[in-house]
Amino acid sequence: AQKVTQAQTEISVVEKEDVTLDCVYETRDTTYYLFWYKQPPSGELVFLIRRNSFDEQNEISGRYSWNFQKSTSSFNFTITASQVVDSAVYFCALSDSWGKLQFGAGTQVVVTP
Amino acid sequence: EPEVTQTPSHQVTQMGQEVILRCVPISNHLYFYWYRQILGQKVEFLVSFYNNEISEKSEIFDDQFSVERPDGSNFTLKIRSTKLEDSAMYFCASSETSGSDTQYFGPGTRLTVL
Repeated sequence: AQKVTQAQTEISVVEKEDVTLDCVYETRDTTYYLFWYKQPPSGELVFLIRRNSFDEQNEISGRYSWNFQKSTSSFNFTITASQVVDSAVYFCALSDSWGKLQFGAGTQVVVTP
Repeated sequence: EPEVTQTPSHQVTQMGQEVILRCVPISNHLYFYWYRQILGQKVEFLVSFYNNEISEKSEIFDDQFSVERPDGSNFTLKIRSTKLEDSAMYFCASSETSGSDTQYFGPGTRLTVL
């Protein structure tokens, strides 16, 4: 069975600080896909990033970056120079080839001015 | 930019009543999904749908639930006899080419069962 653990329930930072969100996953599949979604106070789910299990290259996209390490089954996400608009719940999710997304419990990020 | 739409945004119903939640997936997408999120909890998978049939369903998706693609654009979730515990936000999602592709979510329908 697949499982996603987000141990941090809430992170509070002051604007311009960096925020790193932890995600640990469990799966028996050799091919799988990892995602980060953002849920702002308005409630919608916004896709942020996607990574395949066979591609461990870490990248930066604007203020977002991620660190995917298969050896530790972790897929951490960093927001650089946080802004108030980054305040939201962030979900890590895992899917197999069939598309069923398994979400973590989410991490509430609070950015204060 | 194409997006998934859902109607209504909020539905209030009495326990035991039937509700139909509607979704219009992104037009060239072939895979469709329903998820739900009970207030303050994580998002849970309900069902996936491809080629006019269910691909996979969760334990939550019991006989009270059904899905349908009645025409070329709509994708619906029906709850036959609502219970109090069905109160949640229901999200529709779609992906383009395969189950492993990125799923794009609609804004959700908040269902309140009284």
